Amino acid sequence: GESVGLHLPTLSVQEGDNSIINCAYSNSASDYFIWYKQESGKGPQFIIDIRSNMDKRQGQRVTVLLNKTVKHLSLQIAATQPGDSAVYFCAENYDSWGKLQFGAGTQVVVTP
Amino acid sequence: DGGITQSPKYLFRKEGQNVTLSCEQNLNHDAMYWYRQDPGQGLRLIYYSQIVNDFQKGDIAEGYSVSREKKESFPLTVTSAQKNPTAFYLCASSIGGAHSNQPQHFGDGTRLSIL
Repeated sequence: GESVGLHLPTLSVQEGDNSIINCAYSNSASDYFIWYKQESGKGPQFIIDIRSNMDKRQGQRVTVLLNKTVKHLSLQIAATQPGDSAVYFCAENYDSWGKLQFGAGTQVVVTP
Repeated sequence: DGGITQSPKYLFRKEGQNVTLSCEQNLNHDAMYWYRQDPGQGLRLIYYSQIVNDFQKGDIAEGYSVSREKKESFPLTVTSAQKNPTAFYLCASSIGGAHSNQPQHFGDGTRLSIL
């Protein structure tokens, strides 16, 4: 399939290692944040979300950390697998009606 | 299975032609969205609809039009006024409502190219 991110920042990770993907968000009033995974030629897939009243949330093999002081969001993937290779987007909810502002994305490449 | 279906997967447009992209959801979601994705960029909002028979312009609505006659359907028309339509178009839906803080769920996109 075609790549959806030809000039994205790239994170190369060895299989089995942990990955950390970072995102700086823009609006200090944003109260809800989401991480999406997008594989080539497909739509974004929901991974995990976090509300602004939390600092950390864990899912299956993933953890999202929120630092509101510096407007920073991170996604940690434990024991990265080849199937984790994709583009990862963060998104912030910037109005009360659910509109999202998306970051440019990070390409994660898992090497054997 | 519940989900969002976009069709066609690939679409080609001739100069001066309008084309319509289909988006159907069976999630019983009130809110639906259309995004455009270009290489190396994040998603940009074209139009959104919070409820049937109502929709609003997003950040890049020029050259596009939508309708929302049914809850499950939100078609996007790319008009001849859109001079650079080549992109990957994504439709999404969410439960909707003010302060709902719910994720948007996406279809698998339509890739539009110029002939």
